[in-house]
Amino acid sequence: AQTVTQSQPEMSVQEAETVTLSCTYDTSENNYYLFWYKQPPSRQMILVIRQEAYKQQNATENRFSVNFQKAAKSFSLKISDSQLGDTAMYFCAFMLDVSGGYNKLIFGAGTRLAVHP
Amino acid sequence: NAGVTQTPKFRVLKTGQSMTLLCAQDMNHEYMYWYRQDPGMGLRLIHYSVGEGTTAKGEVPDGYNVSRLKKQNFLLGLESAAPSQTSVYFCASSYPGVAPSSYEQYFGPGTRLTVT
Repeated sequence: AQTVTQSQPEMSVQEAETVTLSCTYDTSENNYYLFWYKQPPSRQMILVIRQEAYKQQNATENRFSVNFQKAAKSFSLKISDSQLGDTAMYFCAFMLDVSGGYNKLIFGAGTRLAVHP
Repeated sequence: NAGVTQTPKFRVLKTGQSMTLLCAQDMNHEYMYWYRQDPGMGLRLIHYSVGEGTTAKGEVPDGYNVSRLKKQNFLLGLESAAPSQTSVYFCASSYPGVAPSSYEQYFGPGTRLTVT
């Protein structure tokens, strides 16, 4: 069975600084996807970034980038130039690539990030 | 285009009462899901549906029932609510298509349910 572990329950960072959130996962499969979701105080789940396991290049979306280490089963999220609006709970999630079938999304427990002025 | 909507947003139930949570999506998605979110545990899948008229159990299905009579709606029912079902419930939807964009799940705003 696949599992996702986020070892940092809470983190804080000063505005404009960089912060890295950690995520490790366990799977014996080779084809899968990894995601980071953001949940601000509004509760809305927002997809931040996605990484395909078959891609060696790390995904980036503006100030958000990942460090994907497939052999180490590690998938960390780096937020550059942190903004007050980045304050949220961040969830790492794993999905097996089951072509033509149902793709189960497995979430980590989350990391609560606070950005301070 | 409203995306995924959930009704109600908040609800308080007494132990033993029943209720139905409604999820609606206007994106013509085939797949729909119900999750619950508890502190320190992330989101866990309760039930899911891969099309109109079909449902299947997820990770934590006990105490819940679901129905997907129309493609755009997915209902989650609690027949006899228990305090252990106090949680935030999220509905999500996705469509089977060309990877990888088809694997994104779109979430509703959540329903906070308290069972006393």
